[in-house]
Amino acid sequence: NAGVTQTPKFQVLKTGQSMTLQCAQDMNHEYMSWYRQDPGMGLRLIHYSVGAGITDQGEVPNGYNVSRSTTEDFPLRLLSAAPSQTSVYFCASINPGGNYGYTFGSGTRLTVV
Amino acid sequence: GDSVTQMEGPVTLSEEAFLTINCTYTATGYPSLFWYVQYPGEGLQLLLKATKADDKGSNKGFEATYRKETTSFHLEKGSVQVSDSAVYFCALMDSNYQLIWGAGTKLIIKP
Repeated sequence: NAGVTQTPKFQVLKTGQSMTLQCAQDMNHEYMSWYRQDPGMGLRLIHYSVGAGITDQGEVPNGYNVSRSTTEDFPLRLLSAAPSQTSVYFCASINPGGNYGYTFGSGTRLTVV
Repeated sequence: GDSVTQMEGPVTLSEEAFLTINCTYTATGYPSLFWYVQYPGEGLQLLLKATKADDKGSNKGFEATYRKETTSFHLEKGSVQVSDSAVYFCALMDSNYQLIWGAGTKLIIKP
């Protein structure tokens, strides 16, 4: 039972580079979300998805794209990395019909130089 | 909109001390409430939850009671251990199943 798997765990990018943060869950959860965590600011929602083919913006979507072609996968794309995107990124999923709250991945620590 | 406010940290206690971390919320309706814990270098783990007024969530010696009248969900533990050192997040789930987070409270337990 892997839960929510995020890759990579660490990444260093140069300003302007692009990359994709991967997120996969094996619990058949409908809802998936991406958060970023910055010191003293808690977690902020970037994008979320309520099912395959459906995505929407959260609180801080600028500079990020997402897609949800399957129930299992929810990748987050940085199109042109900026130092302001240095953060820890968490992916999470939930089955709204369940009663256990969100399950989180272990995070990706991204540094943009 | 919905919001969560929790006490600022860090909170520093000695081992075996009593712990309270305050959390209050503003929301329409009756949201589910959660405490998550983040140990150093790790992701977030669900610590406990409550889904309706007067529910008490509990886990690993931690407790929190959903108080509708005071819109609070304070986290308590009777005797903390060094291994409880972590950052604790209070959160509510809104009607769209999205989590609204507090800023987190860092807890430091000294032996």
